[in-house]
Parts: sequence; structure tokens; C-alpha cells
Amino acid sequence: AAGVIQSPRHLIKEKRETATLKCYPIPRHDTVYWYQQGPGQDPQFLISFYEKMQSDKGSIPDRFSAQQFSDYHSELNMSSLELGDSALYFCASTQGSNQPQHFGDGTRLSIL
Amino acid sequence: GENVGLHLPTLSVQEGDNSIINCAYSNSASDYFIWYKQESGKGPQFIIDIRSNMDKRQGQRVTVLLNKTVKHLSLQIAATQPGDSAVYFCAERMDTGRRALTFGSGTRLQVQP
Repeated sequence: AAGVIQSPRHLIKEKRETATLKCYPIPRHDTVYWYQQGPGQDPQFLISFYEKMQSDKGSIPDRFSAQQFSDYHSELNMSSLELGDSALYFCASTQGSNQPQHFGDGTRLSIL
Repeated sequence: GENVGLHLPTLSVQEGDNSIINCAYSNSASDYFIWYKQESGKGPQFIIDIRSNMDKRQGQRVTVLLNKTVKHLSLQIAATQPGDSAVYFCAERMDTGRRALTFGSGTRLQVQP
């Protein structure tokens, strides 16, 4: 079965640079969630979209923004990167809001 | 992997034994709960879910128990196999309002062959 696809899988940036992470949800899934997972930590919710509109907002820094496009893929834009932004970034998708979230394998972002 | 586990509780079991992983959740308004398995370098993988109108649900080799009185969730894995070695997270969510998951602290399961 098709899964959530994230790209890139690995990304290395320097402080103050920008990064864009992409998420392609499971076909026919209309809701996308972004989570950040630091080393040894549990995933923390950042932001979500339903039918291309932001549906919920968690602990997403103001330096980050995201959107969902007409084909339901989503992008997380990160600016003025800081060392503390080094983490795994996961995208999850669902069809509607009442189903389990299915996760991609994440983007590992390293800030030098 | 990402969960090097310096601070993760670890459960070590022998292959073939049953495993029980526990989780205390925080929000009494949560009414939907999920267990995820996370292997090194991978995203959380859905195992089983349960809604608050149930106290037990069974899947293939797995059982989830929910005790709303004490806000406790457990995952039982029967006949644990080496492939079950991973970090396990419980997650909670409300069925109305915010639909994002709140994850509990993970537990590392190590299966000894």
C-alpha cells in the first residue's frame, strides 16, 4: 500500500539558512500533520492542514510556515535556522479527522 | 537511531514471552488513543487504536487495554519476537476540537533471542 512520502530524507544546513521539507500524503488523504522529534524525545505537533486550510497549530516557531497545495501535498518552510532546529521532522496523513494518522519516515534535519 | 534512549525506559524480554508496555495519559478529555511502534530511522508505525467507549481491543498478537479511571493505557504483545524490538509510543487525541496527537514518552522494547 502507498505510504506517506517525505523528501528529502536527510538535509544539512547552516545556521540562518532556510529549508523546505516536502510531504506527499497517502492518496485520497485530505489531512496532513507535521511533527518535530528531537533526539530521545517524543514527536511534538507543529501544524496541520485539512483541505488546504490550516486546521490546527501547535508549537511551531514563527520562523516556520507551512501550506497544503491543491494536490494535497504539503511543504514546511523553515527560515533563520538555529542549532536547536536539528531534529527529525515527520509528516502524517489521514482521510478525514477520525482515522489513525499514518506517518512518513521523516526528514532528518541537521544544522551545523 | 533517533531514539538513542538515554532517557527512555527500557523493557527487556526473552523471545516468546509476552510483553506489557504501559502509558499514563494526561488529558481526561481525550477519547481516542493509539499505539505506535518506531524503529530506528523510521517514522511511527500504527499498531492499534482504541476509543474511550471501549476498555479492550485486540489485534494480531496485540491487545490494548484502557483504564479511564486512572488514565492508563497498556499494550500487550503476545509471543514477542526479535522484530518487535523498537520504541513504542502511546498517543492521545480528542475526538472533537484539536485532532493532533499528543504523544507520551516512549518505551524501548528489547527482545533477547
